Amino acid sequence: DAGITQSPRYKITETGRQVTLMCHQTWSHSYMFWYRQDLGHGLRLIYYSAAADITDKGEVPDGYVVSRSKTENFPLTLESATRSQTSVYFCASSEQGTGELFFGEGSRLTVL
Amino acid sequence: GENVEQHPSTLSVQEGDSAVIKCTYSDSASNYFPWYKQELGKRPQLIIDIRSNVGEKKDQRIAVTLNKTAKHFSLHITETQPEDSAVYFCAARPSSGNTPLVFGKGTRLSVIA
Repeated sequence: DAGITQSPRYKITETGRQVTLMCHQTWSHSYMFWYRQDLGHGLRLIYYSAAADITDKGEVPDGYVVSRSKTENFPLTLESATRSQTSVYFCASSEQGTGELFFGEGSRLTVL
Repeated sequence: GENVEQHPSTLSVQEGDSAVIKCTYSDSASNYFPWYKQELGKRPQLIIDIRSNVGEKKDQRIAVTLNKTAKHFSLHITETQPEDSAVYFCAARPSSGNTPLVFGKGTRLSVIA
């Protein structure tokens, strides 16, 4: 099916472990984004990418790593998870020149 | 950088009444202002947007107004229905192209039947 998909949808991990959240889109959108959603903070941008091999920091990038070797994929890695990274993570994409963001279904991460 | 403030954080209305959510932004160069709706457990989805060359835009029961001088914009929902219950996010884009959106913190709207 066309669209934007995230995996895993739910993940429980322990402090210090590495976790990778995957994001895949089939629209060939140039731009992709990672947001985290926490109660009282809304949607905060972690990283974004304008094209393959181009990434930029957002508002809250510390503790996260991204890569974009292919246009359709934009994985987010937590190299050493901390409890403060417990959150719902949303991947999104947009077509260059238009405004609408298309969000994935979200990945709920719990760090124990 | 851009800062978007959204009020109120929670809003309860009776079914059939109107709801208004307000946002202010700090960067006068911002030129695109979308609103996203997020139902419980679901992903945010665009419901309406407005660009800086327009003062008002309507789509059935929802409308958005923009006051560039005061740097604020508002979402108006008329004849509210239970399915309007959700979290609503406003956002602003600081410049043209695909500079990332800056979101407000959201408003939880509850429509009481």
